[in-house]
Amino acid sequence: GENVEQHPSTLSVQEGDSAVIKCTYSDSASNYFPWYKQELGKRPQLIIDIRSNVGEKKDQRIAVTLNKTAKHFSLHITETQPEDSAVYFCAASDTGGFKTIFGAGTRLFVKA
Amino acid sequence: EPEVTQTPSHQVTQMGQEVILHCVPISNHLYFYWYRQILGQKVEFLVSFYNNEISEKSEIFDDQFSVERPDGSNFTLKIRSTKLEDSAMYFCASAVYTGELFFGEGSRLTVL
Repeated sequence: GENVEQHPSTLSVQEGDSAVIKCTYSDSASNYFPWYKQELGKRPQLIIDIRSNVGEKKDQRIAVTLNKTAKHFSLHITETQPEDSAVYFCAASDTGGFKTIFGAGTRLFVKA
Repeated sequence: EPEVTQTPSHQVTQMGQEVILHCVPISNHLYFYWYRQILGQKVEFLVSFYNNEISEKSEIFDDQFSVERPDGSNFTLKIRSTKLEDSAMYFCASAVYTGELFFGEGSRLTVL
């Protein structure tokens, strides 16, 4: 079945440094790749997404890259701040959009 | 800003009891989902619902689970005979099209 692998499971960075989270997906029919941020005890919220016809997308300090051939996509956060500390989930959605599969999550700690 | 609302926020039940979790999706959304998250783990897909029928379901969504959209606004998840391993946070989500999922705050189910 569909699977999304996410690494690392935990990431600790110093404030101001960059953070990179990587994901791979198994279903070649996936064409939508969102990233969600989940703060402790809260709901997941979309922070950025990318579709398969685009290789890279940026929104201020956050960027996502997609390599469809290798079935890899990555989240890059630059100039990290303590409020970036949270769990980040990558996800992949099938062509019909009826099933979004999440990775296992990356717990990001940004040390002040 | 419109939000997905879920009730109850926390439900405690005895093993073997039936539980119904309620969700009111965002009003102009057409796609509805249930996900669950066991404490500290990944967000797991349960079921998607579109055009008054189930579109996709995971292997977790067995005969003990059912969903209903009894009127134009509510979307419910029923677990017929709860098991200890059903203890989790259950998130309802909705989407206007096959893209960003808008999650509710979640319903925490504790099965004793």
